Amino acid sequence: GAVVSQHPSWVICKSGTSVKIECRSLDFQATTMFWYRQFPKQSLMLMATSNEGSKATYEQGVEKDKFLINHASLTLSTLTVTSAHPEDSSFYICSARDKAGVANTGELFFGEGSRLTVL
Amino acid sequence: GNSVTQMEGPVTLSEEAFLTINCTYTATGYPSLFWYVQYPGEGLQLLLKATKADDKGSNKGFEATYRKETTSFHLEKGSVQVSDSAVYFCALSVYGGATNKLIFGTGTLLAVQP
Repeated sequence: GAVVSQHPSWVICKSGTSVKIECRSLDFQATTMFWYRQFPKQSLMLMATSNEGSKATYEQGVEKDKFLINHASLTLSTLTVTSAHPEDSSFYICSARDKAGVANTGELFFGEGSRLTVL
Repeated sequence: GNSVTQMEGPVTLSEEAFLTINCTYTATGYPSLFWYVQYPGEGLQLLLKATKADDKGSNKGFEATYRKETTSFHLEKGSVQVSDSAVYFCALSVYGGATNKLIFGTGTLLAVQP
């Protein structure tokens, strides 16, 4: 089946530093990847849509310069939280759409999530 | 616009009880509908899906039927187990132009007690 892997699964950093989270599709090509942020009360917020070889499309209210997204290949997208602050602490989840297979049904495959804690 | 509304949790049940988690949607066009499950400390996993009206998605004893007339996709299971404790998300996807994003409900926490 389609597998999406995120790394790291958890990270602790100091305030003011930058953190990069990787999202890889392991056995399929993903022209589109999505980054979500999950808040403590469960709601899943779409942050941005990442298309291979082009700039990401950010949702309203999401700071582009704060959350840098790069989708350099069909199997890798990265999210960099720049100058992280405690309020950026959250669970970040990526998902990917298979280029070839299930695009017509809209199914997404999700990574395991990355928990960021900013001290 | 497109949106998903699901019942607020937490839902607390005893083992072997019947489960229903309500989900209704608003969509322009013809959405595909999904239920995703998130177990503690893990990412989301697709539980089941339905791509057109009257389709029934099923997996692991869970079922949901795509009801266009009531714009609903309620999740049901006849006999829950402790291992079903998780957060359940209803979602829809509509294609057309830029609207190819997956839109989630707020999630419903299910706690099953032995």
